[in-house]
Amino acid sequence: DAGVTQSPTHLIKTRGQHVTLRCSPISGHKSVSWYQQVLGQGPQFIFQYYEKEERGRGNFPDRFSARQFPNYSSELNVNALLLGDSALYLCASSLAAGDTQYFGPGTRLTVL
Amino acid sequence: AQSVTQLDSQVPVFEEAPVELRCNYSSSVSVYLFWYVQYPNQGLQLLLKYLSGSTLVKGINGFEAEFNKSQTSFHLRKPSVHISDTAEYFCAVSDRLGGSQGNLIFGKGTKLSVKP
Repeated sequence: DAGVTQSPTHLIKTRGQHVTLRCSPISGHKSVSWYQQVLGQGPQFIFQYYEKEERGRGNFPDRFSARQFPNYSSELNVNALLLGDSALYLCASSLAAGDTQYFGPGTRLTVL
Repeated sequence: AQSVTQLDSQVPVFEEAPVELRCNYSSSVSVYLFWYVQYPNQGLQLLLKYLSGSTLVKGINGFEAEFNKSQTSFHLRKPSVHISDTAEYFCAVSDRLGGSQGNLIFGKGTKLSVKP
């Protein structure tokens, strides 16, 4: 069975631009969560979606937004990019909102 | 609010030696506990989890961890490591929300380096 997939693998943007990251959950999983992992740190929770509704939001500015589609895939959008947004963005899926999370390989975002 | 402290940022060890990676947590509510491993340039892979029951949890690749409620610890152990265990290991906690798992709070990670 395919695991969580994320695209693109790597991305380079400049300050002020916006970016869209994509995630496809494990087949049968209905919940997707997004995490930001800055170099040298553990992942930090950004959002969780379940059945297309936001179920949780971490301590991130409004420049960060996300949505979940009817097929349970998800997008993370970041507007007005800052240098500090450079990080590995991880997507995790779970059967439902309260179940064990399984992570994808991540998207490495570099903001210049 | 919960927090996780991984007491060692780096642990060097020789191949076939035992290893223990330490994790302490702080929480005002009951928690679930997890260990994830991250190989270079990859995402996180679940090693093991403690949800309830026996405090000694066995995971993949020969790893195990013991939940100690009085010491608020969840240390990860392996009796004999291999070169392929070289990776970064993350301890994480989540709330118990009526039996469901909340969002994950991670420690800063421990880099395990296995030398021949």
